[in-house]
Amino acid sequence: DIQMTQSPSSLSASVGDRVTITCRASQDIRDDLGWYQQKPGKAPKRLIYAASSLQTGVPSRFSGSGSGTEFTLTINSLQPEDFATYYCLQHNNYPFTFGPGTKVDIK
Amino acid sequence: EVQLVQSGGEVKKPGEFLRISCKGSGYSFTTYWIGWVRQMPGEGLEWMGIIYPGDSETRYSPSFRGQVTISVDKSISTAYLQWNSLKASDTAMYYCARHYTTSSGPDNWGQGTLVTVSS
Repeated sequence: DIQMTQSPSSLSASVGDRVTITCRASQDIRDDLGWYQQKPGKAPKRLIYAASSLQTGVPSRFSGSGSGTEFTLTINSLQPEDFATYYCLQHNNYPFTFGPGTKVDIK
Repeated sequence: EVQLVQSGGEVKKPGEFLRISCKGSGYSFTTYWIGWVRQMPGEGLEWMGIIYPGDSETRYSPSFRGQVTISVDKSISTAYLQWNSLKASDTAMYYCARHYTTSSGPDNWGQGTLVTVSS
């Protein structure tokens, strides 16, 4: 199985901050990676697909980059509604695997 | 509007049978894959498996193969996740999600079904 790691596992930030989350794959997954946001008690929501493409309807302050084994999710100017847990998911190879998540909370 | 609507929460005893459902609407149900994801209490997301409603081709994560059965009834645009004998460790929230292809990530998600297994 492809192992996914995320860093940091949690972070505290203020409204208006720029936040960067990193996801690493244990082997080359090309750009077969998505980023998902999950708020407490809610289903996950896709933010980014194909590593860097913004899902329709998602604010442009979210961006993704990377390919191969290292990927980043950046949130520019963090908003109150962005406090949530973020997961990466590789879909290059079965079984698909999620990263362990990064919890973003209020400083 | 694309919608995946899951069946309601369940409380079951160990050893019991359970089947939960996920009904798709607002798109061509037979041309998108449906996957299932587990989230145990306070934990992260785990991908369980995926099915293609067009021909019922199914792929399982090794962690879940033999533990659950994924099936579909395309005549009613509904996918299922089934346990023949529940364990307490099956207590979790289960999400279904739509995949455009067998090698794409999920785009739309159901609201989740909470399964509680307790004696």
